[in-house]
Amino acid sequence: AQSVTQLGSHVSVSEGALVLLRCNYSSSVPPYLFWYVQYPNQGLQLLLKYTTGATLVKGINGFEAEFKKSETSFHLTKPSAHMSDAAEYFCAVSEPYNTDKLIFGTGTRLQVFP
Amino acid sequence: DAGITQSPRYKITETGRQVTLMCHQTWSHSYMFWYRQDLGHGLRLIYYSAAADITDKGEVPDGYVVSRSKTENFPLTLESATRSQTSVYFCASAPANGELFFGEGSRLTVL
Repeated sequence: AQSVTQLGSHVSVSEGALVLLRCNYSSSVPPYLFWYVQYPNQGLQLLLKYTTGATLVKGINGFEAEFKKSETSFHLTKPSAHMSDAAEYFCAVSEPYNTDKLIFGTGTRLQVFP
Repeated sequence: DAGITQSPRYKITETGRQVTLMCHQTWSHSYMFWYRQDLGHGLRLIYYSAAADITDKGEVPDGYVVSRSKTENFPLTLESATRSQTSVYFCASAPANGELFFGEGSRLTVL
């Protein structure tokens, strides 16, 4: 069975500071990994995904994530936070070629202070 | 307009009443999903559908019924609503092995 653990339900950073949102996964097969963002009163939008190939994945809005198999991690980073990054972020995992069954983490709410 | 739409966006009902949440997508995606979002649980899959007339249970299907007579519609029915079904419900659609696209959510309160 697959699972995802997001460490920290709330993360606060100052504008311009590094953003680091943590995600660890458990999977018996090589996983596909995703980060979604949810702005207030909206649905989820895909930020980035890892399927195969390069382990450093770049997404929208300056976010990137690195797949580290040895650490079973897929942490999301952004070098410099912007006020507009304030949102809830969800990590998700699926089996390869089976992205219709995503398992979501519990989410991390990012606050950005001026 | 193209996209995925949910209705109603907000609904208040009473325990024991039947409620139907509607979901409509214009992309002709084969897959459609219903998730519920609760604090501390993230998103949990209720039901999904791989094509018209094909549906399957997700992680938390009890108390819910779905149908998919047409590719573009995937209604979710709570036959007898309970307070534990107070939640935000998200519909999503996706092509096979493709990205999920989410609706804006339906906030349901059961009194």
